[in-house]
Amino acid sequence: AQSVTQLDSHVSVSEGTPVLLRCNYSSSYSPSLFWYVQHPNKGLQLLLKYTSAATLVKGINGFEAEFKKSETSFHLTKPSAHMSDAAEYFCATRDYMDTGRRALTFGSGTRLQVQP
Amino acid sequence: EAGVAQSPRYKIIEKRQSVAFWCNPISGHATLYWYQQILGQGPKLLIQFQNNGVVDDSQLPKDRFSAERLKGVDSTLKIQPAKLEDSAVYLCASSSGTSGGKGDTQYFGPGTRLTVL
Repeated sequence: AQSVTQLDSHVSVSEGTPVLLRCNYSSSYSPSLFWYVQHPNKGLQLLLKYTSAATLVKGINGFEAEFKKSETSFHLTKPSAHMSDAAEYFCATRDYMDTGRRALTFGSGTRLQVQP
Repeated sequence: EAGVAQSPRYKIIEKRQSVAFWCNPISGHATLYWYQQILGQGPKLLIQFQNNGVVDDSQLPKDRFSAERLKGVDSTLKIQPAKLEDSAVYLCASSSGTSGGKGDTQYFGPGTRLTVL
């Protein structure tokens, strides 16, 4: 069974400094991996996804993530934080199964705080 | 393109009462999901529909939760009777279901925040 561990429940950075949100996964099959962002009282918005193509994935708003199979990691980065990046971030995985089951398994989330 | 619509946005009920949530997916999306997000946790799947058939309801507490997707479009999720531990945000998501599975992106609605007193 697949699982996701987000290593930090809370990350605080200064505006203009780099962001690193860490995610490790466990999967029995070839996984798909996703990062979603959730702003207060809003639904989840997809930032980027990995589906076994290029291991470095670029997403929206300057975010990117690198799939490292040897480390079972999929960390999210951004070179320069903006105040609007303050939100909750979720890493998720999904095994591809011929049964048609497509449930995402989410981590517990990382709250990103951006200081002025 | 309109996103996933959900209503109501907020609901407060007493324990043992019943409640229903409604979801309208993105037009043309064959697959619809209901997730439960308890405060401080990531969302957890309750049920997945493919058109109007159930694909996965393994984590749905069937003694009190029910869901349907008549005509393969809109869906309703019902809780009867509600318990205190059902307080959560209920998220609906949809996906096209046509990209072979691996890259099939789920698009989420704004959610319904349920408070059970």
